Amino acid sequence: GAGVSQSPRYKVAKRGQDVALRCDPISGHVSLFWYQQALGQGPEFLTYFQNEAQLDKSGLPSDRFFAERPEGSVSTLKIQRTQQEDSAVYLCASSTTDTLSEQYFGPGTRLTVT
Amino acid sequence: QKEVEQNSGPLSVPEGAIASLNCTYSDRGSQSFFWYRQYSGKSPELIMFIYSNGDKEDGRFTAQLNKASQYVSLLIRDSQPSDSATYLCARRYGNKLVFGAGTILRVKS
Repeated sequence: GAGVSQSPRYKVAKRGQDVALRCDPISGHVSLFWYQQALGQGPEFLTYFQNEAQLDKSGLPSDRFFAERPEGSVSTLKIQRTQQEDSAVYLCASSTTDTLSEQYFGPGTRLTVT
Repeated sequence: QKEVEQNSGPLSVPEGAIASLNCTYSDRGSQSFFWYRQYSGKSPELIMFIYSNGDKEDGRFTAQLNKASQYVSLLIRDSQPSDSATYLCARRYGNKLVFGAGTILRVKS
């Protein structure tokens, strides 16, 4: 079956613009995660959903970042009033409930804020 | 202080050799560890996970967890040029994974 998909793959935004990044998890995967990866670093946790419930958003760096998963499948990560420090690759991962920690990553969205 | 530490490398090994990648951690919390491989410009790919002390083997890969010394290792036998990538060590904390910065591995043919 299909893996995790993300769109767009690349996004260039001018500083101050809002952006929306989409994630389609593996079919049947209950858990969904967003990570941010800066160049030369490992992924950093942003937020976690179980079905439609956002159970952990402790990694969101500011109130400009917002994530939702209204129907428990597709998720959107929204960044308002983008800043240059938001430039990174945004990775989405999913897992089944009973193997919570075996997370499978999508290809990522590379965001560049100019 | 980051909970998971890795040497950034690069680690260079000749083709056919054993590559040894290490990861250390600083507290005695979660003992669930994961190794991901990440090719340049690509997303992390799960290679192995290990939850218990000792060794776990899968093909050319062996993960080792030493709780007493607080380190976890990944051994790659018969290294191939296609193994050249960044290897990320991750530790589970509750619902999330905490990653190290990764070790760059270069296998020279």
